Amino acid sequence: GENVEQHPSTLSVQEGDSAVIKCTYSDSASNYFPWYKQELGKRPQLIIDIRSNVGEKKDQRIAVTLNKTAKHFSLHITETQPEDSAVYFCAASRGEYGNKLVFGAGTILRVKS
Amino acid sequence: NAGVTQTPKFQVLKTGQSMTLQCAQDMNHEYMSWYRQDPGMGLRLIHYSVGAGITDQGEVPNGYNVSRSTTEDFPLRLLSAAPSQTSVYFCASSSRGLGSPLHFGNGTRLTVT
Repeated sequence: GENVEQHPSTLSVQEGDSAVIKCTYSDSASNYFPWYKQELGKRPQLIIDIRSNVGEKKDQRIAVTLNKTAKHFSLHITETQPEDSAVYFCAASRGEYGNKLVFGAGTILRVKS
Repeated sequence: NAGVTQTPKFQVLKTGQSMTLQCAQDMNHEYMSWYRQDPGMGLRLIHYSVGAGITDQGEVPNGYNVSRSTTEDFPLRLLSAAPSQTSVYFCASSSRGLGSPLHFGNGTRLTVT
């Protein structure tokens, strides 16, 4: 089955700097790659996603890139703000039931002001 | 619109006890799933359902049962609780099809002593 590895496990950045979180997946048939943000004590919420027919997607300060050949994808956050502090999870899935997601272990992002 | 509702929010069980975690959604979503979240391990899929009367196992199904008699409800049963089942449990739902966002409930924090 699918295996998703996520790095780093923790990341501290200064407010205004950029943050990059990377994930690799094992199943070449995976074709959907979402990212979730989970604030302390809250539920995970989708922040951005990308499909395998797209190499990059951007939404304001957040972008995701996908390299299908290398089977890895990354989350980029620019101009970080204290409210970006949270746990971020990458995930991968395939098939019609694209929401049978396999998650990475998560990255704790701390933005220092 | 309540979204995905989980009850209870907190539960303490003794080893060997059984209980049911409730999950209901009011968005007419075909797909529903249960995840458990443990520190450093991300979210792991326990069971999922693609419609009423249809369920299947995820990555970590042992010790748990599910049923899907209606579109709205997807309860998770712990047959004989063990300390290893201490975790935060999330129910999630989505429409069918690749790229449909997964909507999470607020979670149930379960402690087994």
